[in-house]
Amino acid sequence: NAGVTQTPKFQVLKTGQSMTLQCAQDMNHEYMSWYRQDPGMGLRLIHYSVGAGITDQGEVPNGYNVSRSTTEDFPLRLLSAAPSQTSVYFCASSPFPVDSLTNTGELFFGEGSRLTVL
Amino acid sequence: EDQVTQSPEALRLQEGESSSLNCSYTVSGLRGLFWYRQDPGKGPEFLFTLYSAGEEKEKERLKATLTKKESFLHITAPKPEDSATYLCAVPYSSASKIIFGSGTRLSIRP
Repeated sequence: NAGVTQTPKFQVLKTGQSMTLQCAQDMNHEYMSWYRQDPGMGLRLIHYSVGAGITDQGEVPNGYNVSRSTTEDFPLRLLSAAPSQTSVYFCASSPFPVDSLTNTGELFFGEGSRLTVL
Repeated sequence: EDQVTQSPEALRLQEGESSSLNCSYTVSGLRGLFWYRQDPGKGPEFLFTLYSAGEEKEKERLKATLTKKESFLHITAPKPEDSATYLCAVPYSSASKIIFGSGTRLSIRP
């Protein structure tokens, strides 16, 4: 069982370039999300999706786009990369809607994608 | 405003030296508090969920407790393999999101 798979693991971009970080999960989870992790700031939510065709913004959505055409995939697009987007990006999924009282709070995370923007 | 604060930022212990990590939160109508472990270069890994004040959960040398304003992760007689960053998180009070604290970086010396 692969779980949550992120590609690429490492990427270097120049300012202004665009790219897509890929995230795929094989657990049939409805909920998927993208976080960025920066030193001293912990994990910050960028965008999330509660199911195919449904996406919403997190804490830091500016400069990023997402779409959810299938249950399995949730790509994150950087439209015009800036040095401030240098970070480690994590994709996470959950079998439960996070506002459900029965939710365990268990997110399954990928291994991360380290992005450097020069 | 929903907020999660963890302390200390970093903690260095000798093997066998017990201690506690703190997670304080300000969320209306808490629906759960979650603890995660993150090893260097890896994604966070889920440890526990606590739902109500007074609740406790244990896993090996770790015990998580919850009050109305904070949670503690107690580490008893830690070993070097317990070295990691420990993150706590809560669901936002008004939306389908989980907010994370900035974590405590725990280092256990042999």
